[in-house]
Amino acid sequence: GQNIDQPTEMTATEGAIVQINCTYQTSGFNGLFWYQQHAGEAPTFLSYNVLDGLEEKGRFSSFLSRSKGYSYLLLKELQMKDSASYLCGPLDSNYQLIWGAGTKLIIKP
Amino acid sequence: IAGITQAPTSQILAAGRRMTLRCTQDMRHNAMYWYRQDLGLGLRLIHYSNTAGTTGKGEVPDGYSVSRANTDDFPLTLASAVPSQTSVYFCASSDSSLSSYNEQFFGPGTRLTVL
Repeated sequence: GQNIDQPTEMTATEGAIVQINCTYQTSGFNGLFWYQQHAGEAPTFLSYNVLDGLEEKGRFSSFLSRSKGYSYLLLKELQMKDSASYLCGPLDSNYQLIWGAGTKLIIKP
Repeated sequence: IAGITQAPTSQILAAGRRMTLRCTQDMRHNAMYWYRQDLGLGLRLIHYSNTAGTTGKGEVPDGYSVSRANTDDFPLTLASAVPSQTSVYFCASSDSSLSSYNEQFFGPGTRLTVL
């Protein structure tokens, strides 16, 4: 079957760095998305990885290891507005996005 | 309008009633999707459409139907609502569902309560 594993909740301090891990098992693989979702709002796109390695985009970076079925989202210089849920979503062999339950990130001053 | 709109924003519905959630996009995207999101369960795909005139079933299609008469609109119908359909419903679209880079754009959601 298809399975996505992310921690349910994480807490970090403003200004710090946090890493949100995601492991996945899917029928085939065509890349992996990370989305951010603030409470009561729609998910918004953060990053897409299809090759192994690190993709950096400002304060956010996303890493992928296809052989390990593993990805992480790295958030630097945390700000209060980064408090949100972060959704990991690999694409399977049919290009269907398989969503994880998301990680709720709480930022404390 | 720009992006995806959904209507209504929220709705309280009596069990057994019929309800249609509306979704319209103006990005000329080929693919559209309906998800439900419940606490602790993440987004679950209900139905999808790869292009106008075609639809497919997702992970949790029972009790829901969709149609795709044109590119812009993708309504979701609950024929006879039940309390377990209480959820937040998101509509999304992407340029193509059959390519590796198919970033999905989401509407603001409809919060549905079935009593």
